[in-house]
Amino acid sequence: KAGVTQTPRYLIKTRGQQVTLSCSPISGHRSVSWYQQTPGQGLQFLFEYFSETQRNKGNFPGRFSGRQFSNSRSEMNVSTLELGDSALYLCASSGAIGTGELFFGEGSRLTVL
Amino acid sequence: DQQVKQNSPSLSVQEGRISILNCDYTNSMFDYFLWYKKYPAEGPTFLISISSIKDKNEDGRFTVFLNKSAKHLSLHIVPSQPGDSAVYFCAAIITGTASKLTFGTGTRLQVTL
Repeated sequence: KAGVTQTPRYLIKTRGQQVTLSCSPISGHRSVSWYQQTPGQGLQFLFEYFSETQRNKGNFPGRFSGRQFSNSRSEMNVSTLELGDSALYLCASSGAIGTGELFFGEGSRLTVL
Repeated sequence: DQQVKQNSPSLSVQEGRISILNCDYTNSMFDYFLWYKKYPAEGPTFLISISSIKDKNEDGRFTVFLNKSAKHLSLHIVPSQPGDSAVYFCAAIITGTASKLTFGTGTRLQVTL
């Protein structure tokens, strides 16, 4: 069974640009959530999608958005990038709602210059 | 407001000895707790969990203890092995609130020979 796949793995952007990250969940998993990992902050919840609907959202500004497609694949977008957006963005999928047992991808490391 | 705290950023333990990783939380609504392990360049992987109705859960070398009155949980690894060297994240969830995990900032465990 293939794991969670995230693309791209690494990317460099400059301030003011926008970025789109992609996530393919484990086959059969309908829940996809996104987390941001920065040094000293741990993993912070961005949002979760289930069956193309956003079910929960973390405390991030509106520059962070996401969506989920009918095949459960998800994308997240960050507009007007700031230096502080440099982080590892992790996608996770789950086959069981609300248990917290998530399967994470390897992440997309974003560097904003 | 850090609702889940891991106050030890790092821990070094000799191979064969016990590793004890600690985690404190402030939100009494959390009712399910998890530990994730993360190797460099990989996503976190689920390790073990515990419901708030229990005070102990064991899985092989890994045992998680929960003290609800103190809002404290700990992960014991016995015996520690070099392959256990990783960053360990404590996480908490209010079951039924989607897959929104609140993570601690992590403890880097190094198991030395």
